[in-house]
Amino acid sequence: EVQLVESGGGVVQRGGSLRLSCQASGFTFINYEFSWVRRAPGKGLEWVSHISSLGSDIKIADSVRGRFTISRDNTQDSLYLQMSSLRVEDTAVYYCARGWSPDAFDIWGQGTVVTVSS
Amino acid sequence: QSVLTQPPSASGTPGQRVTISCSGGSSNIGHNPLSWYQQLPGRAPKLLIYADNQRPSGVPDRLSGSKSGTSASLAISGLQSEDEADYYCATYDDSLNGWVFGGGTKLTVL
Repeated sequence: EVQLVESGGGVVQRGGSLRLSCQASGFTFINYEFSWVRRAPGKGLEWVSHISSLGSDIKIADSVRGRFTISRDNTQDSLYLQMSSLRVEDTAVYYCARGWSPDAFDIWGQGTVVTVSS
Repeated sequence: QSVLTQPPSASGTPGQRVTISCSGGSSNIGHNPLSWYQQLPGRAPKLLIYADNQRPSGVPDRLSGSKSGTSASLAISGLQSEDEADYYCATYDDSLNGWVFGGGTKLTVL
């Protein structure tokens, strides 16, 4: 079964750090690009960051630039999001999503909840 | 304020046809393929339409997408109670160098 499973969410104080993971299974991980997308309480979906299949091309939203870093380990079929200097407004459900040509996301994980307390 | 503009809400009765609009600009909808997603409460988003009007396998043909210039729409015919969800349009924005989503439309089946 094609699947993405996120982990690593939790409650963290403002200014703290957290590392999210996304474990892929059921497909050839290295063939695909991935993104992180979040949904804050009461708000819509927001794209956060993208990484190409070999990790050579990385894109990041202005709202998290300089604080979040996306990475991947193709030997472990895993995607990561390192989050630092967390703000209250980073509170959201974070989803990893598989890139589907052209420019869509066809497989999504179930999400992991990040809560930043003040 | 989202780069892509969607109506915050839409509604219809069972069996009706409803459309959800998505408006953008030349750097996003006007230049890149659009996709649509459905998100049920407490669930992950699901891809409904990609490349403006293509349906992934498993998505019923009563859902359809269209695009003209810098605007697009999602049409749902034969509305069912299980269609009640949030719907989002999305595409790549050349100016922002990243993906953008619409603000979302909450569809209510009356």
